[in-house]
Amino acid sequence: DGGITQSPKYLFRKEGQNVTLSCEQNLNHDAMYWYRQDPGQGLRLIYYSQIVNDFQKGDIAEGYSVSREKKESFPLTVTSAQKNPTAFYLCASSVSKVLVSEQYFGPGTRLTVT
Amino acid sequence: DAKTTQPPSMDCAEGRAANLPCNHSTISGNEYVYWYRQIHSQGPQYIIHGLKNNETNEMASLIITEDRKSSTLILPHATLRDTAVYYCIGPLIQGAQKLVFGQGTRLTINP
Repeated sequence: DGGITQSPKYLFRKEGQNVTLSCEQNLNHDAMYWYRQDPGQGLRLIYYSQIVNDFQKGDIAEGYSVSREKKESFPLTVTSAQKNPTAFYLCASSVSKVLVSEQYFGPGTRLTVT
Repeated sequence: DAKTTQPPSMDCAEGRAANLPCNHSTISGNEYVYWYRQIHSQGPQYIIHGLKNNETNEMASLIITEDRKSSTLILPHATLRDTAVYYCIGPLIQGAQKLVFGQGTRLTINP
């Protein structure tokens, strides 16, 4: 089945540690995105990538880093510089930058940092 | 910032039509409106989008006013599984770099 997978579903870390969230897609989509969602709020864009080896900052990129070495994969690292990292993280992909608005989302990773 | 306005919450009886409004008064001629929904603790799901004509698919219908400044998403026969937060997103041109999610409308379907 084609789709987007995120792992793990729940992740717990101690403050001061970096943590990497996985996102893989087998839809052959060019564009991939990372969003953050806080309780009762809408999604906010962290980073996006329209093509392999290229990515752009979204609205709240500070304290995060990404890489896009393969078309299928777009991992997100939450660094210790992120002041409030506890949140629900969602990865998405779309066919191309032309059709960017039809995005397919993964199931999300809920990160808790204590 | 989101450029759409939606009511924060709505209720609908199971089996009835759910009509979710959205205002997008700043829309211009080549901009689309998109609808997504998010069931609790899951990733958002694309529903439908439109430019100027009304649209229908297997999930919903989208009615766009003649002046295009507002639209209504219609779930014709709502079920309990339609309980979710519904996001009206836009206006967007083709090739827009990102979606901007507001707080959406929390729709509750009651038995």
